[in-house]
Amino acid sequence: SQQGEEDPQALSIQEGENATMNCSYKTSINNLQWYRQNSGRGLVHLILIRSNEREKHSGRLRVTLDTSKKSSSLLITASRAADTASYFCATVLISGGYQKVTFGIGTKLQVIP
Amino acid sequence: EAQVTQNPRYLITVTGKKLTVTCSQNMNHEYMSWYRQDPGLGLRQIYYSMNVEVTDKGDVPEGYKVSRKEKRNFPLILESPSPNQTSLYFCASSFGGREKLFFGSGTQLSVL
Repeated sequence: SQQGEEDPQALSIQEGENATMNCSYKTSINNLQWYRQNSGRGLVHLILIRSNEREKHSGRLRVTLDTSKKSSSLLITASRAADTASYFCATVLISGGYQKVTFGIGTKLQVIP
Repeated sequence: EAQVTQNPRYLITVTGKKLTVTCSQNMNHEYMSWYRQDPGLGLRQIYYSMNVEVTDKGDVPEGYKVSRKEKRNFPLILESPSPNQTSLYFCASSFGGREKLFFGSGTQLSVL
């Protein structure tokens, strides 16, 4: 089953608007990460938030984490056409010698100029 | 330049013909992993390695093999490829499994 599930699966907005994507997961985690993928290319890391953090900022990105609800959101403010991409959340769980990184199915964002 | 290098970028093969997709990183990362990406399914982990000679199965290991004889290399081996292994494959590495992942450019594999 998918650990991270993004919502919505597709989002279309006008340039300048804010974009919000959500991620839900099922198990406990050590941290949660967000990645961006331009069509068919390798994923690029955007931001990491640890399980004891509630909010983190990086430039136009704001990530929140609610471990009680097992959910996270990624906010991109003042979107640009260049933000058009797919966005994935990834949960990281490390327990003893076991280590699991699980990606969701992603949100496809289109920013219209 | 810090990078994860995958080869080949594109590969077309036939059912049953053994193939290897190479992955190399130049960042001295301990953790390396392989993923496959399929439409509507996101990225699914195939295998991961926490260090040299230490590998473990991910969510979809069937039909794949890996080895980690050197820290920088983590090849993915398909002993007898089948059409359901047609997919986009990514290698990734990080300093530790909990840290951010650096991805290769991907290998688009088609098994006929």
